[in-house]
Order: sequence, then C-alpha cells, then structure tokens
Amino acid sequence: GDSVTQMEGPVTLSEEAFLTINCTYTATGYPSLFWYVQYPGEGLQLLLKATKADDKGSNKGFEATYRKETTSFHLEKGSVQVSDSAVYFCALGPYGGATNKLIFGTGTLLAVQP
Amino acid sequence: EAGVTQFPSHSVIEKGQTVTLRCDPISGHDNLYWYRRVMGKEIKFLLHFVKESKQDESGMPNNRFLAERTGGTYSTLKVQPAELEDSGVYFCASSQDPGQGSGYGYTFGSGTRLTVV
Repeated sequence: GDSVTQMEGPVTLSEEAFLTINCTYTATGYPSLFWYVQYPGEGLQLLLKATKADDKGSNKGFEATYRKETTSFHLEKGSVQVSDSAVYFCALGPYGGATNKLIFGTGTLLAVQP
Repeated sequence: EAGVTQFPSHSVIEKGQTVTLRCDPISGHDNLYWYRRVMGKEIKFLLHFVKESKQDESGMPNNRFLAERTGGTYSTLKVQPAELEDSGVYFCASSQDPGQGSGYGYTFGSGTRLTVV
C-alpha cells in the first residue's frame, strides 16, 4: 500500500544553518504531497504542498520539490531560526476514489539552537 | 473564523475506563476526520465523516472505538474500555469540499493527548 518514509530525528541545528529533511513515498497513483508542521502546543498546520511532478511548494522560506523519478519530496530551508523548532510531517494525499485520507510519515523533530 | 476545536486537550485515565473525545469542526465543513499518533510513530487515519455518515472507517483499530457525528456537526470518539496501547495524540480535522487532492483543504485541531495508565 501507499506509504511515506521520512528521516528520523531529532535534527539539531544551529541558527542560520541549512536544513534538509528527507521524505520518500510509495504510491500506486499520482498523489499530492504535503509538509505539515506542528509547533509546540499547537495543531498540525499545512506548511506547503505540491500537486504534480516537478511542482515546487514553498512557504516561510521552506521549499520542497515533487520528484517523481526519485519518489521524493525533501524539505529544505536555507537558514533556520529558533522559531522553526517543531515536528515536521511529510504526507501524501488523496487521488481518485472517495477516500480523502492523508498518509503521514513518522515526523521529524527539529530543534534549532541559538 | 473559529478553527477546529478539540477537548479535552489532555486526558489521563486508567486501563479499563471509558473516555470520550470531542471535536468541533469549522462551521459549514461537511467533512470531518479523525487521526491518531501513537508515541513516536506516524499519524494514522482513523475515519472520515461526510456530514453524519461514515464515509470511510477503515482505520478504526477495533470495536473498542466508537465514533459518532449526530446531526452532522460535532463528533465524538469514545474508547471503551481503554487499553494501554490506546495512548497517543488524537487529531481531528475538517474540510469543506472533499474533491481530489483536497488534503490541502484540511484544518486540524490541536489534538487530545490521551494517556492510559
């Protein structure tokens, strides 16, 4: 079945460091791909999305490109801030059929130190 | 607009007891979803309501879990009797229009952290 694999954390970085969180997926169709973020004490928030191959999603300095050839959707940011400390979840979304469920990865905890 | 509201935010119960979680979706959102994250693992889909009807309940782990959405507004998720492995964070989400690729239309609540001791 469909699945998402993302790198295990925690990832600990210093402020202004470059961030990459790897995400690969397995899907029989052509899903949409998402990154969600959960800040401490808050709910899941959509960070960015891409709906088809070669699309690049971007938001708040974060980027991810939908790579069909490598079945990947890695999250990157050029310069992280302490406020980026959160848990990041990669997910693939519904395609066809009536089910609209999201399939998530295990989440990666990012800790940014000043 | 008000977001998706879940309560309680935390619940600690003993094994064998009953717990009821509540989710209030965004007004007008016909689609309501429950998800669960067991400690350190992925967030897993539990079920999907369209108004008061269960569209997909394939993720419900067993018959100790009962979800309802009477009147198509708020939803409850009851666990009876609770077991240790039920501990985790239960998320609710709502969306207005399913459609294909509607995952980005989701709004999630803050979750209920359930601890069964």
